[in-house]
Amino acid sequence: QSALTQPPSASGSLGQSVTISCTGTSSDVGGYNYVSWYQQYPGKAPKVMIYEVSKRPSGVPDRFSGSKSGNTASLTVSGLQAEDEADYYCSSYAGRPWVFGGGTKLTVL
Amino acid sequence: QVQLQESGPGLVKPSQTLSLTCTVSGGSISSDDYYWTWIRQPPGKGLELIGYIYFSGDTHFNPSLKSRVSMSVGASKTQFSLKVTSVTAADTAVYYCARGNHGTASFDIWGQGTMVTVSS
Repeated sequence: QSALTQPPSASGSLGQSVTISCTGTSSDVGGYNYVSWYQQYPGKAPKVMIYEVSKRPSGVPDRFSGSKSGNTASLTVSGLQAEDEADYYCSSYAGRPWVFGGGTKLTVL
Repeated sequence: QVQLQESGPGLVKPSQTLSLTCTVSGGSISSDDYYWTWIRQPPGKGLELIGYIYFSGDTHFNPSLKSRVSMSVGASKTQFSLKVTSVTAADTAVYYCARGNHGTASFDIWGQGTMVTVSS
């Protein structure tokens, strides 16, 4: 069982928006602004899309945004494109080595 | 730019020790700004942080694996290594090395991953 809870799947149509949640506790997500999100294509290494809850690394489209409320962080992908179909993982510092969510498979319809 | 590459045996027998090395090219690991990390992913499952090491040799491990894991930094400061003892089939996974970045509080550079199967 993963330390952070994500829905196993999410979907949206081309051009629409979808939000993926990541629920933890006050000891991880709620306690630190150190939530990051990773995109992973099959057979490939993960890539960081969001760090420190809402910041985007250089080169990541601004269609990707992050937020946090209490013990739940969220990743929103706006204007869905076909290439956004992938697995997404959240991660949080937890006062001990980092913890990950179980991952969400995003399907673009 | 900095790149990471994992290397090591793809097949390990049960009860033996899994050993992997991560080679850092385009830079060295000699900086307090980064922590050098091992993360694994069992087939069809999610990511699990194994632990990380600073160039000083200071280590931090996932409590669930702590009793079986060790990490070290190579003398050249361009490699770091992972050992997992007493492996079982549950240790079968893709193993990634990654750079943890204090400036962004994220894992910003990853190796391509190496599949390790535990089987007799």
